[in-house]
Amino acid sequence: SQTIHQWPATLVQPVGSPLSLECTVEGTSNPNLYWYRQAAGRGLQLLFYSVGIGQISSEVPQNLSASRPQDRQFILSSKKLLLSDSGFYLCAWSPGQAAYEQYFGPGTRLTVT
Amino acid sequence: GEDVEQSLFLSVREGDSSVINCTYTDSSSTYLYWYKQEPGAGLQLLTYIFSNMDMKQDQRLTVLLNKKDKHLSLRIADTQTGDSAIYFCAERYTNAGKSTFGDGTTLTVKP
Repeated sequence: SQTIHQWPATLVQPVGSPLSLECTVEGTSNPNLYWYRQAAGRGLQLLFYSVGIGQISSEVPQNLSASRPQDRQFILSSKKLLLSDSGFYLCAWSPGQAAYEQYFGPGTRLTVT
Repeated sequence: GEDVEQSLFLSVREGDSSVINCTYTDSSSTYLYWYKQEPGAGLQLLTYIFSNMDMKQDQRLTVLLNKKDKHLSLRIADTQTGDSAIYFCAERYTNAGKSTFGDGTTLTVKP
C-alpha cells in the first residue's frame, strides 16, 4: 500500500533562517506531488506541484521554492523565512494526471518567530 | 479564476443529519471532492463525484451535485461525535490534478 511521510511534524524557526521540509511517498511510482499551505486552520493554498523529477510548477510567487530530486521525494525550501510563512504545510500525491484521488500527508506545523 | 465557497460553521445534535453546502465557479470542473480534516492532521478524502453525475451515496454519506447552479452538498446521516471536524469542498479543474479548495466548514456535533 502507498504511504506518504512528512517531516518534521513541527518546526519553530526565527525570521530570516532557512527552511527545508521533506515529503516522501512509498509504494507508488511517478506520482504527481503537491505542496499546500493552510493558514490559520482554514483553506488550502496550492504552492507547487510536480508531474515528474525536476519538473516544478509554482502557483503563487513567494520566497519559497520546491525541488524534486527523486521520483518520490518532494522538498519545500526557503532561504530566508518571513513571519507570514507560518502555517500548516501539507504534501499530497496523486497517482497521475488522469486520477481523481489526492492523498495528503500528516502535515508540518511551521511557526516563524 | 476558480473559486470555491463554503459556510464556515455548522452545529448539529448527535443522531441528526448534517448538510454541508459548497458553491464553485468553474464550469469545466471534472471532479468535485469532499475532504475531512481532524485537528492537527492532514486531509482525508471522504468521497468524490464526477461532474457528469447528480448524486453519489456511500454508506452514511450522500453527495448531491447541481451543475446548473454549481452547487455541491454533503449529507451525513446519523451524525456522530466522531464526525466533528473541518470538511473541505474542492474542485479539480485541470488534468494536472490541481484542485481549488474552499475554506472549510467546521462541523460540531453535540451529544
